Amino acid sequence: DVVMTQTPLSSPVTLGQPASISCRSSQSLVHSDGNTYLSWLQQRPGQPPRLLIYKISNRFSGVPDRFSGSGAGTDFTLKISRVEAEDVGVYYCMQATQFPQYTFGQGTKLEIK
Amino acid sequence: EVQLVESGGGLVQPGGSLRLSCAASGFTFSTYNMNWVRQAPGKGLEWVSYISSSSSTIYYADSVKGRFTISRDNAKNSLYLQMNSLRAEDTAVYYCATFLYSSVLYGMDVWGQGTTVTVSS
Repeated sequence: DVVMTQTPLSSPVTLGQPASISCRSSQSLVHSDGNTYLSWLQQRPGQPPRLLIYKISNRFSGVPDRFSGSGAGTDFTLKISRVEAEDVGVYYCMQATQFPQYTFGQGTKLEIK
Repeated sequence: EVQLVESGGGLVQPGGSLRLSCAASGFTFSTYNMNWVRQAPGKGLEWVSYISSSSSTIYYADSVKGRFTISRDNAKNSLYLQMNSLRAEDTAVYYCATFLYSSVLYGMDVWGQGTTVTVSS
């Protein structure tokens, strides 16, 4: 199975400041069709996960443009340009390239300083 | 309103069985592939099982293969997870989730609120 490793595991951020989360996969996530199926999910406290970004950098419907994704191959990053209070929660990267064996990162807890 | 509502969780002894249900509403359930994903207390997410819209394709994580069975009843707009030979490590919140607006290669975009399964003596 593909192992997804996130850093940091905890990220205290000041409101209005940027935040960045890294995700590394144990093998390339480039699919045989040439695409890279790396997604990011947000889980607010007490809530189920929510899909934020798919295919590295595509924001899902309704996701604010302060969220952006980048990367290639095995290294990926989620950035929040200006953190707002509603962004508090745990963020997971997820690979779907090896569908159906989806695997998730351990999660990064975003909290306000 | 699109909704997935899980039920059937509870406390069960090791070696016991439990059947989870997920009731879908607000969309044409019979045309969507479904999943179960779980989250152990204070831990991350783990994909458990997938079933295609017609039940023709089913997959399991290695950790549950041979013990869990996913099924669906499209006439009842319901998804199920039969869990047998339960272990302490199966303790988790179990979510049903689907790809309503996304695709199997993008990730699940609609999730239920989850049902809690506790395996303990």
